Amino acid sequence: GAVVSQHPSWVICKSGTSVKIECRSLDFQATTMFWYRQFPKQSLMLMATSNEGSKATYEQGVEKDKFLINHASLTLSTLTVTSAHPEDSSFYICSAPSRDRGEKLFFGSGTQLSVL
Amino acid sequence: EDKVVQSPLSLVVHEGDTVTLNCSYEVTNFRSLLWYKQEKKAPTFLFMLTSSGIEKKSGRLSSILDKKELFSILNITATQTGDSAIYLCAVVREYGNKLVFGAGTILRVKS
Repeated sequence: GAVVSQHPSWVICKSGTSVKIECRSLDFQATTMFWYRQFPKQSLMLMATSNEGSKATYEQGVEKDKFLINHASLTLSTLTVTSAHPEDSSFYICSAPSRDRGEKLFFGSGTQLSVL
Repeated sequence: EDKVVQSPLSLVVHEGDTVTLNCSYEVTNFRSLLWYKQEKKAPTFLFMLTSSGIEKKSGRLSSILDKKELFSILNITATQTGDSAIYLCAVVREYGNKLVFGAGTILRVKS
């Protein structure tokens, strides 16, 4: 079945540094990928839609200069948290639609980011 | 604004009990509703519902959608400790693949 690989699984960084998270579709092409953020005991919140070959679409309230998204190929999307601060500490997860009509999303395993 | 509301927010039951999780929604151009189970990390797909009144079943889990009253339920019978998880409901609009998630129901099954 379709598999989405995400790494790193966890990262600890100092405040002010940038962190890159990668999301790969392993056995299918994904022209679209989605990035979510999840705070403890809360639901997944869509941050942005990553589009291969074009600019990402950000949800309201998400700073595009803070969360840089690059979808350079049909199998890879990256999310870079720039100048990370403690309030950016969260669980970040990506997903990509499967071939059948797109609703059945396959999720990466997520990245737990802790900013000190 | 699209809205997905799940209830209860949390639930504790004993093994063998039957539970019903609720999901109501308000969304323009509704296309489908999905249920996911999230344990430690990535949510895993359970059901996709597009038509009213047609029950989907998978083992002890079943789900049904009511497009007139704008809600769905997820039933789990003969619960087991392995059913302990967050159950997420999400809706998809007609255009695009973006999911709008509910807050989730935290289910804990005690042995």
